[in-house]
Amino acid sequence: KAGVTQTPRYLIKTRGQQVTLSCSPISGHRSVSWYQQTPGQGLQFLFEYFSETQRNKGNFPGRFSGRQFSNSRSEMNVSTLELGDSALYLCASSLVAATQNTEAFFGQGTRLTVV
Amino acid sequence: AQSVTQLGSHVSVSEGALVLLRCNYSSSVPPYLFWYVQYPNQGLQLLLKYTSAATLVKGINGFEAEFKKSETSFHLTKPSAHMSDAAEYFCAVRTNTGNQFYFGTGTSLTVIP
Repeated sequence: KAGVTQTPRYLIKTRGQQVTLSCSPISGHRSVSWYQQTPGQGLQFLFEYFSETQRNKGNFPGRFSGRQFSNSRSEMNVSTLELGDSALYLCASSLVAATQNTEAFFGQGTRLTVV
Repeated sequence: AQSVTQLGSHVSVSEGALVLLRCNYSSSVPPYLFWYVQYPNQGLQLLLKYTSAATLVKGINGFEAEFKKSETSFHLTKPSAHMSDAAEYFCAVRTNTGNQFYFGTGTSLTVIP
């Protein structure tokens, strides 16, 4: 069974540009969450999608957005990139809508560097 | 608000020695706690999770964790460290609604040959 697939693995963008990251969850999983990982802030929740609906959003500016498609694949978009957006972006999938004891399976991440 | 605190951002142990990584939680209700491991340039891999079924939880790769309500702790242990255990370890708790994880700041484990 294939794991969570994130593309691309590495990305270099210039300040002011926008970027789209993709996440394909484990087959049959319907919940996808996104996290940003930086050395200074650690792992921070961006948003969660279940059945194409955003269930929850973290404390990030509106430049960060996402969506989920009918096949559960998800994309996140960051517009007007800033240097501080440089991070490892992790996608996690769960079989069902996340509850307290739901485990999540993480992809390898997309390393975004903004120059 | 639920949160977890990991004491010690860096831990070094000799190969074959006991591994002890500390995690304390803050919650007004019994939490659901998780330990994840991250190898360099990789995502997070679930080691184990506590779901109130048993206070001693066994995970993969020989790791286990004990939930102690009186100490609000969920420390991760392994009797004998292997070189392959060198990685970053994260303790995490889900929110009451379950929508998101709150992660600790991580503990980097170094295993000395």
